[in-house]
Amino acid sequence: GAGVSQSPRYKVAKRGQDVALRCDPISGHVSLFWYQQALGQGPEFLTYFQNEAQLDKSGLPSDRFFAERPEGSVSTLKIQRTQQEDSAVYLCASKPPGTGNTIYFGEGSWLTVV
Amino acid sequence: AQSVTQPDIHITVSEGASLELRCNYSYGATPYLFWYVQSPGQGLQLLLKYFSGDTLVQGIKGFEAEFKRSQSSFNLRKPSVHWSDAAEYFCAVALRSSASKIIFGSGTRLSIRP
Repeated sequence: GAGVSQSPRYKVAKRGQDVALRCDPISGHVSLFWYQQALGQGPEFLTYFQNEAQLDKSGLPSDRFFAERPEGSVSTLKIQRTQQEDSAVYLCASKPPGTGNTIYFGEGSWLTVV
Repeated sequence: AQSVTQPDIHITVSEGASLELRCNYSYGATPYLFWYVQSPGQGLQLLLKYFSGDTLVQGIKGFEAEFKRSQSSFNLRKPSVHWSDAAEYFCAVALRSSASKIIFGSGTRLSIRP
């Protein structure tokens, strides 16, 4: 596709459920990022992939959060045993090779935990 | 501590009036600097970026920003706002040593008075 595609766009999960959020980056983009944006806040960095390698996962808030990108293209962010504080928009972004290139964001996956 | 500060949570300006949104950063060295816009329910769109060179940067939609090293600032300006500019605006930085990670400010919500 032309842009970064995320699915599902909206997800309501019961507390304790596991969820999986998918990101399809722009074709040819080796770098992929996940951000969490709580209501009324700026996006917070979660994790970064270069191809299939997860080079930075310093922003993952707990061991309930796990991200993977096994073939260096599509990525999945998994949240286990969801809690109400996990309610947020999860943004995926991708970047072509080269320092300083523009990062392109998807429209996000809105997660509400009830 | 390293940080990006947007001191104005919410700004209202009249249509046709000029606009300036403030951004200050606190880092040891000059980072890469960005302004993003986010409309309700939409992803983040890059308005402009500063990497080096001319400190006055032109962006899309008639926006510009000026990097002032002495003030550690990167304020966003527009000479005449339109009702369609109503949105959330985020200042962001990326360390040159770790250009993969973009750190966002908390945002400024812009409302336009008819």
